[in-house]
Amino acid sequence: QQQVKQSPQSLIVQKGGISIINCAYENTAFDYFPWYQQFPGKGPALLIAIRPDVSEKKEGRFTISFNKSAKQFSLHIMDSQPGDSATYFCAARSGGGSNYKLTFGKGTLLTVNP
Amino acid sequence: DAGVTQSPTHLIKTRGQHVTLRCSPISGHKSVSWYQQVLGQGPQFIFQYYEKEERGRGNFPDRFSARQFPNYSSELNVNALLLGDSALYLCASSFVVYEQYFGPGTRLTVT
Repeated sequence: QQQVKQSPQSLIVQKGGISIINCAYENTAFDYFPWYQQFPGKGPALLIAIRPDVSEKKEGRFTISFNKSAKQFSLHIMDSQPGDSATYFCAARSGGGSNYKLTFGKGTLLTVNP
Repeated sequence: DAGVTQSPTHLIKTRGQHVTLRCSPISGHKSVSWYQQVLGQGPQFIFQYYEKEERGRGNFPDRFSARQFPNYSSELNVNALLLGDSALYLCASSFVVYEQYFGPGTRLTVT
């Protein structure tokens, strides 16, 4: 059972364009939604994250939009650069206290053409 | 500051063998989690340890086990290796409850 659905599977954007990646979840107990960036041969790197009591969070060129009622959230990369070419994963946290785990989407391969 | 470190970087094993993977968390982080990432997929949760106690376990067979040491480093053990165990094994550490930081992973190939 895939609890976090991510789309699109792959995305090609021109330099300077906006990249948009979407995720949807089913489990209303999820309470924290991070995005990770992964380059080939590397581990995922935490990019930006949001809690469900906030509808939008912006850090530099990266913005998360969160729609709690629709159980959807998205990552927007403004002014996309070739160096942003990587695989992006959305995730959702479940658990309580000191017990928790992340459930990941299947990933989006972003290619930014120069 | 040193990030999460994992060893070895790469490993090749034969079916039926046993493997031990190691992880050192970021200094000050008391929680370590293990994830399996199959090629082309997102990481899948295996274990979480906090203060040397298992706090969560994913949907993996009993061939998978782990432990955390007093210095908060951790080992992941896999017995009776199968071809399907070939994957990137990721360790993540965290200080606060929410943010998890991943290491570079150990690439395990089972032949």
